[in-house]
Amino acid sequence: AQSVTQPDIHITVSEGASLELRCNYSYGATPYLFWYVQSPGQGLQLLLKYFSGDTLVQGIKGFEAEFKRSQSSFNLRKPSVHWSDAAEYFCAVGVNTGTASKLTFGTGTRLQVTL
Amino acid sequence: DGGITQSPKYLFRKEGQNVTLSCEQNLNHDAMYWYRQDPGQGLRLIYYSQIVNDFQKGDIAEGYSVSREKKESFPLTVTSAQKNPTAFYLCASSIRGYRRTEAFFGQGTRLTVV
Repeated sequence: AQSVTQPDIHITVSEGASLELRCNYSYGATPYLFWYVQSPGQGLQLLLKYFSGDTLVQGIKGFEAEFKRSQSSFNLRKPSVHWSDAAEYFCAVGVNTGTASKLTFGTGTRLQVTL
Repeated sequence: DGGITQSPKYLFRKEGQNVTLSCEQNLNHDAMYWYRQDPGQGLRLIYYSQIVNDFQKGDIAEGYSVSREKKESFPLTVTSAQKNPTAFYLCASSIRGYRRTEAFFGQGTRLTVV
């Protein structure tokens, strides 16, 4: 069965510092991967997605992610974090279930930004 | 603006009551989903629907029911059989049938049992 692992529950970084959030997936076929961000009490917003092609994908708000098939990873990065990036981040894999499709999510990483 | 509207934002339920959470979308998406979010557990799929008048159970469907009578609406009923209903509920929609398609989310409903 498919699964997504986000090993870091909580990360704290200083404003201006670089960020990397880890995501590992398990899926038998070609993975379709997503990163979402959630502010407290809000819905999820898509940051970026990987379907095929270039393994380094660019997203909104200055985020990027690199797909590494050999490591089954899809880590999210940002060169310089802003205080407004404080939120919870979710990695997800798109899964087929017969004629349907759905997302399987990791448990999330909460990012705290110190000034 | 196109999007997904969930209502109410906050909902309180007494023990033994059924409550219904509303989800409406104007994105013309065929597929709609309900997720439950608990601290430290990520999002877990309750039910999903790919077309009108059809829906499937997700990973944690027990104690919940849904209907899909209209393309734009996918209400979720939390029944009295759901023993631990306090959670944040998120509705989503997407283009039907393609796992590479991103899902768009509503702003959520926080349900609390009192």
